[in-house]
Amino acid sequence: DGGITQSPKYLFRKEGQNVTLSCEQNLNHDAMYWYRQDPGQGLRLIYYSQIVNDFQKGDIAEGYSVSREKKESFPLTVTSAQKNPTAFYLCASSIGLRMGRYGYTFGSGTRLTVV
Amino acid sequence: ELKVEQNPLFLSMQEGKNYTIYCNYSTTSDRLYWYRQDPGKSLESLFVLLSNGAVKQEGRLMASLDTKARLSTLHITAAVHDLSATYFCAVDMIHAGNNRKLIWGLGTSLAVNP
Repeated sequence: DGGITQSPKYLFRKEGQNVTLSCEQNLNHDAMYWYRQDPGQGLRLIYYSQIVNDFQKGDIAEGYSVSREKKESFPLTVTSAQKNPTAFYLCASSIGLRMGRYGYTFGSGTRLTVV
Repeated sequence: ELKVEQNPLFLSMQEGKNYTIYCNYSTTSDRLYWYRQDPGKSLESLFVLLSNGAVKQEGRLMASLDTKARLSTLHITAAVHDLSATYFCAVDMIHAGNNRKLIWGLGTSLAVNP
């Protein structure tokens, strides 16, 4: 079955440490996204990518970095510059940036906690 | 300003009752999406509404879109406990000429009580 796989499900980060969240899809989707979800704030876009080797900042990109070396993969690195990284991170994909009739498919999420 | 407002944000209802969740948005759009999220889980696509007057139904949930009023509704009929979740609407908005941006509502947290 096609879908999006995020790993790990839970991640603990020490102060000053960089961590990388994995996102892999086998849906043959061109566009991929990273969202951050905090209680009471809905979803906020961190980065998105329309094609391999290209990505764009979303609304809250500071302290995060991404890469898109393969169509299937869109890892997110939370750097030490992100001062408040504790949140639930969701990866999504769509056929293209214009989601059209299919919308997004979401991964199961990674819960990141600073310890 | 690109804005999506859901109301109510919190809803507690009894099993068997009907209720409507509203999603208002601030600028032109012809694409609106409803998602469901269970606690600690990912988002599940419920409905994709792509034109004015679109109405879709799945079980006890029915969604509609009025692009002229910039309003979508998610109607719950004869609620059951299994519908307890948070419901999000997301609107694909046109702005700054021909650019599009997906804007999310804050979500409506629904609790269905026996």
